[in-house]
Amino acid sequence: SQKIEQNSEALNIQEGKTATLTCNYTNYSPAYLQWYRQDPGRGPVFLLLIRENEKEKRKERLKVTFDTTLKQSLFHITASQPADSATYLCAMGGGNKLTFGTGTQLKVEL
Amino acid sequence: DVKVTQSSRYLVKRTGEKVFLECVQDMDHENMFWYRQDPGLGLRLIYFSYDVKMKEKGDIPEGYSVSREKKERFSLILESASTNQTSMYLCASRTSGDFSYEQYFGPGTRLTVT
Repeated sequence: SQKIEQNSEALNIQEGKTATLTCNYTNYSPAYLQWYRQDPGRGPVFLLLIRENEKEKRKERLKVTFDTTLKQSLFHITASQPADSATYLCAMGGGNKLTFGTGTQLKVEL
Repeated sequence: DVKVTQSSRYLVKRTGEKVFLECVQDMDHENMFWYRQDPGLGLRLIYFSYDVKMKEKGDIPEGYSVSREKKERFSLILESASTNQTSMYLCASRTSGDFSYEQYFGPGTRLTVT
């Protein structure tokens, strides 16, 4: 069955550095990938979408890549700030449903 | 701004009770979804609806039912609550058309079944 995996270990980085989160998928060829941010006790908030025919997408300090050969998406936050600390979820879709990863917790330290 | 609201933030129910979770969106979205989120398992789709009175099973529909009588409202029903249904329940909505459109989530309802 289709599977989407994110690193379950928290990522700790220093303020100002670039955070890179990984999303891998198997047994599926998604038409697009989405990235969401989730703060504790709250619902996810959409950040970015990248389609299968796009290699890279940017929005302010955020960048997403999509490698269909490696079956992987990378999510980058440049010049990270403590306010970026949250859990980041990736989700893949190809129809009217999304399949979510379990998320990676990012902690940005001063 | 899109607003998705859920009827309760926290709910405690007893085993065997019938539980109703309500979700309302104010953006005239055709599609609405119910997920549950558990540690280590991520968000899993329970049911979704693409129109009034229309519904489709998601990945884990057992023990749940849904109702969509009005476009803006989507209800999740636990027919006979069990302790393994203790979870965070999240409602989401999305516009129709291209399936890639983002989903807008409510704040979630943390349900505890004792």
